[in-house]
Amino acid sequence: SQQGEEDPQALSIQEGENATMNCSYKTSINNLQWYRQNSGRGLVHLILIRSNEREKHSGRLRVTLDTSKKSSSLLITASRAADTASYFCATDEAQKLVFGQGTRLTINP
Amino acid sequence: DTGVSQDPRHKITKRGQNVTFRCDPISEHNRLYWYRQTLGQGPEFLTYFQNEAQLEKSRLLSDRFSAERPKGSFSTLEIQRTEQGDSAMYLCASSIGTPARYGYTFGSGTRLTVV
Repeated sequence: SQQGEEDPQALSIQEGENATMNCSYKTSINNLQWYRQNSGRGLVHLILIRSNEREKHSGRLRVTLDTSKKSSSLLITASRAADTASYFCATDEAQKLVFGQGTRLTINP
Repeated sequence: DTGVSQDPRHKITKRGQNVTFRCDPISEHNRLYWYRQTLGQGPEFLTYFQNEAQLEKSRLLSDRFSAERPKGSFSTLEIQRTEQGDSAMYLCASSIGTPARYGYTFGSGTRLTVV
C-alpha cells in the first residue's frame, strides 16, 4: 500500500526558478520524510519533519507539514540542473517507511 | 566504503531461472529493508530484518521470494522461478533502529530484467 500521494506527478521548470511538490497522506504520522532519486539510482534522504513541527529548512530546501490537512510540501529554491530527479515523500508505518509515487522534476537549462 | 552496497547492479535472467541478490548494510545499522520499485512508481516494501530476525514480510513477497540475514550483517534476496512480472529495481536500505528517527540509507539497487 502507498500512504502518500505526490502532486504533481511531473514538473518541468527553468533553472533558477523555485519548485514546489506536495504530498498528501492518509493516516496519522510521527514524522514525514522526503527523499530524492536520480535516474537508475537508490534514494537519498533529504529531510525529516516531525509531526509537532510545521516548517523545516535545509539549505535550499524548505519543508512544511500541515497535520490537520494531512499534507506536506517540499520547496526547492533557486533550482539547478543537478536537482533533476524524482522526489518521494515517505511516512512511517509500523516500523517501516511507506513511499508515495513521486514527483518527477526536470530542470531545464 | 561506509554506504549500503548492493550486488549485482544489473541482472538479466531467463524466465524460470533463480536469482539471488546481496545487500551489505552500514555496519552499525541493525535494521535492513528490501523494497521493489517498478518504473514510474515509488518503492514498495517487501520485508525487513532487525539483526538476524525477519520481522515482517509483505504479501507482495510470494512463496517464490525468500530473504535471509544469517548473521545480522549482509542479507540475500532470492527469487525462484522468475517471471516477467518480477522485472524491477530491488532496493536495499538500512537504518539504526526505527527509520522514524533518522530515515533510511539506501543502496544503489539491483535492476532485474526477466526475459
